[in-house]
Amino acid sequence: ETGVTQTPRHLVMGMTNKKSLKCEQHLGHNAMYWYKQSAKKPLELMFVYNFKEQTENNSVPSRFSPECPNSSHLFLHLHTLQPEDSALYLCASSQEGGGAGQPQHFGDGTRLSIL
Amino acid sequence: DAKTTQPTSMDCAEGRAANLPCNHSTISGNEYVYWYRQIHSQGPQYIIHGLKNNETNEMASLIITEDRKSSTLILPHATLRDTAVYYCIVRAIIQGAQKLVFGQGTRLTINP
Repeated sequence: ETGVTQTPRHLVMGMTNKKSLKCEQHLGHNAMYWYKQSAKKPLELMFVYNFKEQTENNSVPSRFSPECPNSSHLFLHLHTLQPEDSALYLCASSQEGGGAGQPQHFGDGTRLSIL
Repeated sequence: DAKTTQPTSMDCAEGRAANLPCNHSTISGNEYVYWYRQIHSQGPQYIIHGLKNNETNEMASLIITEDRKSSTLILPHATLRDTAVYYCIVRAIIQGAQKLVFGQGTRLTINP
């Protein structure tokens, strides 16, 4: 149990569907992150939220739309995805501002398959 | 961020110490060294991090050379459950949130 919960664990959707991935952290952290891990590739940072404000968009296509309503919840809204978007989507959180390099804590991800 | 270089794969016998090397020759003075691991079908798990001094916790020890250009993660008594991909990441502490840049890591296999 990492304190970061992602739902659903698995998702299969067609290219025309709209779905959302959910992440919730129970660690009292103030920063949250979305990463993408494609097969045989390193993790790629997608979005960063610090104190609910988006501070990083790593050139992610607009068919991925993040939302951070509060510091404990993070969503990734998906629409008209492509087959190459099939991947493991990971959420992480961390406590920022205190110095000393606080680590990020990851959820177990949502395995997304686009038909 | 400084790049890191790790061996692609390593093997270790169960019960022995696993020593995973990492080179980060372009590391800057304010950059920390982080180690994470990823077991199949799970998210990355934080192991340990350090700046200059050697560090130890319940999972592992981190040995950083005096010039900080390389480090070694030590799992003192490896078990089968330590089989995973281990990532060495060099990350600066800045205002705002972190940006971890993951490489390919080292695939560690613990053999019975």
